Amino acid sequence: AQSVTQPDIHITVSEGASLELRCNYSYGATPYLFWYVQSPGQGLQLLLKYFSGDTLVQGIKGFEAEFKRSQSSFNLRKPSVHWSDAAEYFCAVDSGGYNKLIFGAGTRLAVHP
Amino acid sequence: DADVTQTPRNRITKTGKRIMLECSQTKGHDRMYWYRQDPGLGLRLIYYSFDVKDINKGEISDGYSVSRQAQAKFSLSLESAIPNQTALYFCATSGDSSYNEQFFGPGTRLTVL
Repeated sequence: AQSVTQPDIHITVSEGASLELRCNYSYGATPYLFWYVQSPGQGLQLLLKYFSGDTLVQGIKGFEAEFKRSQSSFNLRKPSVHWSDAAEYFCAVDSGGYNKLIFGAGTRLAVHP
Repeated sequence: DADVTQTPRNRITKTGKRIMLECSQTKGHDRMYWYRQDPGLGLRLIYYSFDVKDINKGEISDGYSVSRQAQAKFSLSLESAIPNQTALYFCATSGDSSYNEQFFGPGTRLTVL
């Protein structure tokens, strides 16, 4: 069965520091991969997605993610974190191409001034 | 105006009561979804609908039912609420392709006492 693992439940970084959030997936075929962000009291917003082609994808708010098939990973990165990036981040995989998403447990990001 | 709206935003109810959560969208999408979010578990799919006549069970459909009243409306019902259905519930919509992102409503926080 398909699954998504986000190993870090909580991460704290200082404002201006770089960020990497980890995501590993289990899926037999080429996956469709997504990163969503949930700000407090809000629904989820898409940051970026990968379907094929260039393995480094750019998203909104200065985020990027790299697909590594050999490691079954799709890690999210940002070179310099802003206080407004404090939120919960979810990695998701499309199960079978029917737009049925399987989500990881999420990583809650705190940003220190 | 929000593209995906959910009512109510918050609800407290008692064990055994019937509850309906409503979702409306103005994006013109055919596909709609209901998820529940629990701390440490991410989002899990309850039901999904690819058009008005197509409704499918998701990962955790037991104890829930849905109704797709129109393209724009998708309701989730708890026939007899129980405390472990206390969660944050999200409705989402998407276009017809797996390439399309899902757009999420703001969520309904449901507490079952």
